[in-house]
Amino acid sequence: AQSVSQHNHHVILSEAASLELGCNYSYGGTVNLFWYVQYPGQHLQLLLKYFSGDPLVKGIKGFEAEFIKSKFSFNLRKPSVQWSDTAEYFCAVNANTGNQFYFGTGTSLTVIP
Amino acid sequence: NAGVTQTPKFQVLKTGQSMTLQCAQDMNHNSMYWYRQDPGMGLRLIYYSASEGTTDKGEVPNGYNVSRLNKREFSLRLESAAPSQTSVYFCASSEDPGAPQHFGDGTRLSIL
Repeated sequence: AQSVSQHNHHVILSEAASLELGCNYSYGGTVNLFWYVQYPGQHLQLLLKYFSGDPLVKGIKGFEAEFIKSKFSFNLRKPSVQWSDTAEYFCAVNANTGNQFYFGTGTSLTVIP
Repeated sequence: NAGVTQTPKFQVLKTGQSMTLQCAQDMNHNSMYWYRQDPGMGLRLIYYSASEGTTDKGEVPNGYNVSRLNKREFSLRLESAAPSQTSVYFCASSEDPGAPQHFGDGTRLSIL
């Protein structure tokens, strides 16, 4: 079975700080990669996705992620966080030949005004 | 634009009781999924339905059953609830397997 690791469980930043959340997966084949965000009390929403092509993908709200195949990584970045980015962030992986998604355990981000 | 609708939003059960969680999507998606979300464990797939008429086990199917009633609806049943099934349950749908998933608001289930 695939696994997805998010090494940062809880991150606290001040507004305007830069953000990078790590995501590594274990699967040797071709994958589709996703980042989801869950704001307090809400359902998960798609931030960005990578299927193929340019390994640097841009999502909503100024987020971007870089797929590094050699490192099995798909790290999420944002140059300058805002208080409204306080949320839980989940990385997810799908083998593009399969039906199942595997989610990481999530990273809780708190942004201090 | 309802998207994915789950009912109920909250439920408290006693050990051994049964119940069905309902999920409906209005996006004409082919694939539907049930997840549970537990602290420190992220989302784990219980069952999924790649297309109408098919269902498959996910990572944690024990103690659950599902029914893909039609293209819109995908229900999750707990036949004999156990405290270990206390969790937040999310239903999701996607246009096709592997496509981005759209999530419902979740059902918070407590089993005493």
